[in-house]
Amino acid sequence: EAGVTQSPTHLIKTRGQQVTLRCSPISGHTSVYWYQQALGLGLQFLLWYDEGEERNRGNFPPRFSGRQFPNYSSELNVNALELEDSALYLCASSQDGGQVYNEQFFGPGTRLTVL
Amino acid sequence: SQQGEEDPQALSIQEGENATMNCSYKTSINNLQWYRQNSGRGLVHLILIRSNEREKHSGRLRVTLDTSKKSSSLLITASRAADTASYFCATAANAGGTSYGKLTFGQGTILTVHP
Repeated sequence: EAGVTQSPTHLIKTRGQQVTLRCSPISGHTSVYWYQQALGLGLQFLLWYDEGEERNRGNFPPRFSGRQFPNYSSELNVNALELEDSALYLCASSQDGGQVYNEQFFGPGTRLTVL
Repeated sequence: SQQGEEDPQALSIQEGENATMNCSYKTSINNLQWYRQNSGRGLVHLILIRSNEREKHSGRLRVTLDTSKKSSSLLITASRAADTASYFCATAANAGGTSYGKLTFGQGTILTVHP
């Protein structure tokens, strides 16, 4: 069974640009989660999508947004990039959409560097 | 914000020794999950323990949960050099509320196993 996949692996952008990160969940999983792991700040929850709807959102500004497609894959968009957006962005998926145990399985991440 | 604390922050041991990492959290939970992260890559799911469980085993891993003390421990027995990684605990809240759906991570323990 294939795991969670993310693309691209690495990205380098400059301040003010926009970026789109992509995630494909494990087959059969309907929920997708996004987390940011910035140096010194630990793993922070960004967004949760289930069945195409945004279910919960972390304490991030509106320039962080995303969506989930009918095939349950997801995109994370970050507008007006700032230096502090440099981080590893991790996508996870779960089967039960938080209804029972919310066991989340993570992808390899996308490393974003903002110059 | 992080749910709680992990200690130690760093642990250095010899191959064959046991490694114990502790995690504390602040609010009531549905379950607690442990993850491993190698060199800034994606998270590998190790084990999930439900709030009504006290101990769980998986191979060389043993996890305990004490909900009265809001704490958990991860024991890796007979450690190997390949166990060198960062280990994180993450809590999942019960359904409903602002924490619904997301995992809240500790700061992690960096484990180094010397051959």
